[in-house]
Amino acid sequence: EAQVTQNPRYLITVTGKKLTVTCSQNMNHEYMSWYRQDPGLGLRQIYYSMNVEVTDKGDVPEGYKVSRKEKRNFPLILESPSPNQTSLYFCASSWGGGSSGELFFGEGSRLTVL
Amino acid sequence: DAKTTQPPSMDCAEGRAANLPCNHSTISGNEYVYWYRQIHSQGPQYIIHGLKNNETNEMASLIITEDRKSSTLILPHATLRDTAVYYCIVRSNYGQNFVFGPGTRLSVLP
Repeated sequence: EAQVTQNPRYLITVTGKKLTVTCSQNMNHEYMSWYRQDPGLGLRQIYYSMNVEVTDKGDVPEGYKVSRKEKRNFPLILESPSPNQTSLYFCASSWGGGSSGELFFGEGSRLTVL
Repeated sequence: DAKTTQPPSMDCAEGRAANLPCNHSTISGNEYVYWYRQIHSQGPQYIIHGLKNNETNEMASLIITEDRKSSTLILPHATLRDTAVYYCIVRSNYGQNFVFGPGTRLSVLP
């Protein structure tokens, strides 16, 4: 089954404790992206990647890191989480080109930083 | 990327057609119009996309004006389960990012 898998789905952590949210897709997609969603602010993009070893900042990259060492994985790293990073996070993937631009989303990871 | 403008909210009666507008006046020739929706806190779901011709699938119809500066997503017979935030995105075929705006919150009323 084609899917984007995020882990963990729920996490409560404390300020400053490094964490990684993993994202994996099984569709051989070139494009992957991370979004955060906060009440009243819609989906805001954190980072995206057009292909392996190619990443770029989105609209709200501060406090986050990403890496794209393999095509299927695109982890989101919070080196020193702060309470303002409490949010609902979505990973997504798509073909990099072609006329089918369907973006597949994971189920979301709800993160709380105390 | 071309920007899009959508009304923040709309209501629709159950069983009636829901027509959601989107303005994209700066769209360029190789950019597609995509529609997604997000139900509650689930991951957004793809609905439909098109370049210049009108498109229809099992979920919806997409009407793009001849000058391509605006489009309308039509849900022909809205149900309560269509209550969601609907996002209109403009993106080219190759190597471009997906950027979501605030979208339109559609409420389907019984």
